[in-house]
Amino acid sequence: DAKTTQPNSMESNEEEPVHLPCNHSTISGTDYIHWYRQLPSQGPEYVIHGLTSNVNNRMASLAIAEDRKSSTLILHRATLRDAAVYYCILTPYNTDKLIFGTGTRLQVFP
Amino acid sequence: SQTIHQWPATLVQPVGSPLSLECTVEGTSNPNLYWYRQAAGRGLQLLFYSVGIGQISSEVPQNLSASRPQDRQFILSSKKLLLSDSGFYLCAWCTGRREYCYEQYFGPGTRLTVT
Repeated sequence: DAKTTQPNSMESNEEEPVHLPCNHSTISGTDYIHWYRQLPSQGPEYVIHGLTSNVNNRMASLAIAEDRKSSTLILHRATLRDAAVYYCILTPYNTDKLIFGTGTRLQVFP
Repeated sequence: SQTIHQWPATLVQPVGSPLSLECTVEGTSNPNLYWYRQAAGRGLQLLFYSVGIGQISSEVPQNLSASRPQDRQFILSSKKLLLSDSGFYLCAWCTGRREYCYEQYFGPGTRLTVT
């Protein structure tokens, strides 16, 4: 399985944008890029996913580098509720499993 | 709408005792089902997944087992718990095409402490 590398932790102030990086230099052509987040004492929740093009949804935006070796999850205006561990996961097209890494712990300050 | 239930929410069990955790999904049919464990301060580890009744794939050798007796029911069991089995157990289900799960939905979890 292709691996991802994320910073252990990041900090942000409330209402500021947050850019969470993920490196995946060994990504293959059929790997999808998923982002999940886990709030304290809860199960993970899906945030966004993409293959090649940038993606937007109500929660966040996903910017994918042209060579696909890195991606960035963008929270446009951080809130205190966005404090969580954010996981970047690569999933091959022909698999139905998610392999979680250690993620990035995001702290949001008022 | 779809809902996933897990029980119990918390559990304290002595070493060597049996375990049975249950997960049920409502509002969907023929889902992929998953069991994960998260040890304290660690990431999520995929334990088992199932693509249909009676079909179980094990990801990590251990003293745990899983069963899927009904389409929307997934059970995690152990005959004798170890201290290392302590953790936060999460059940999840998946939508999308069977061969590709692009969005998993997680249950509220069971926090197990083995003493």
